[in-house]
This record gives sequence, C-alpha cells and structure tokens, in this order.
Amino acid sequence: DAGVIQSPRHEVTEMGQEVTLRCKPISGHDYLFWYRQTMMRGLELLIYFNNNVPIDDSGMPEDRFSAKMPNASFSTLKIQPSEPRDSAVYFCASSILLGSGETQYFGPGTRLLVL
Amino acid sequence: GESVGLHLPTLSVQEGDNSIINCAYSNSASDYFIWYKQESGKGPQFIIDIRSNMDKRQGQRVTVLLNKTVKHLSLQIAATQPGDSAVYFCAEDDAGGTSYGKLTFGQGTILTVHP
Repeated sequence: DAGVIQSPRHEVTEMGQEVTLRCKPISGHDYLFWYRQTMMRGLELLIYFNNNVPIDDSGMPEDRFSAKMPNASFSTLKIQPSEPRDSAVYFCASSILLGSGETQYFGPGTRLLVL
Repeated sequence: GESVGLHLPTLSVQEGDNSIINCAYSNSASDYFIWYKQESGKGPQFIIDIRSNMDKRQGQRVTVLLNKTVKHLSLQIAATQPGDSAVYFCAEDDAGGTSYGKLTFGQGTILTVHP
C-alpha cells in the first residue's frame, strides 16, 4: 500500500485565495483525520470522519475552513478565503480504529504558505 | 482546555547512548498515551503506546514509562542511533470520555544524535 497520499505537497498562495488540500486515505481505513501543525500551536486535530461522515469538527478554527469526504477514498480540506495565519503544515491521517495510535498512519503533509 | 507539554525542547546525545525524552500531561482523565517520531518533511510515525492500566511497556529499543501519580510520561531509547534523530511527540487520549479519538499532542522534543 502506498500509505496516505496528500496533494499538493507544497502550496503558495496569496491572501484571499481559495485553497484546497486533498487526501487519499489507506484503503480499508474507516477513519480519516485532518491535522494542522504550526510552531506556535503544535499539532492540532481539526476534524475527523468515520465512514465518510464528519464526527467531530470542533477543532476547525472558523467558518473559512471546511472539509468533505465524498467517498471512502478521498477527502478535501478547503480554506476560503485564506489568510497568512493559515500558513502551516496540514496532515491527513487514516486509521482502522479510533483511539489506536498503532493503526493511525499520517500522510506526508501539505506545506501551505499564504502571503 | 488541558494540554500535554514537554519539559525539554532539545536533547543531544552521542551515538550508542541511551536517550530519555519526557512529557508531562495535565488531563487526569487521559488513559491512553502515544509516542510519535517525526522526521524532517514527514508526518508523525507511531513508535509505541501505553494504556493507563500499565506502568511500563517495551518495544524494540524503546520503552515507555507512565507515572500516573505525577502525570508524567517518558520515552527511553536504547543505544541511540543517528537514524533516531527527529522530533518526538507525546500524545494523549481520553478513551473513556467525550473526546475519545481526539489526540492532544505535546509540543515536541528535538533529538539530535551525534556519530
């Protein structure tokens, strides 16, 4: 298996633009997680899905952020409009189980820079 | 909210030495803990986990110790190798609570191994 796949790996955009991050989880994993990593706040959970359904989005910073999972093999995290403070590395992870670190695999991340 | 934090942001050791990375947590309800390794440009990678009904768990060259009395977690790496150089994060989960599955991560410790 190729692991969790994220695209793009790097994104540079200007403030106000829409940004869409993409994730393909590991096949057979029922849980998908979106995290954000910054130097100031560390690694934070934004939202997670179970069987394509959003379960907890309490970590989503504000209405500018939205996430979807139209099917078991694809998820998007969208920021509209983007702001410089959104600059971070965004990780997608998938897991067979909830509450099991051993089965949760992280993707390589998307490094976002908003100018 | 409560959070997990690390005492030491950096640790430098010689190859072959044993390394100890510490983590303090504040949520007394947390009952599941995980250590992750993150290499530059990659997502976090699971190392070892421990549940609150245990004090110690061993893996290959790694040992995690949990002291619930003082809310302290440590990761011991035996015979540290240059390939162990990375940022190490602890994470906690409250498996019995409403935040189940929502990992809270510490800030991370940078481990540098000198040949």
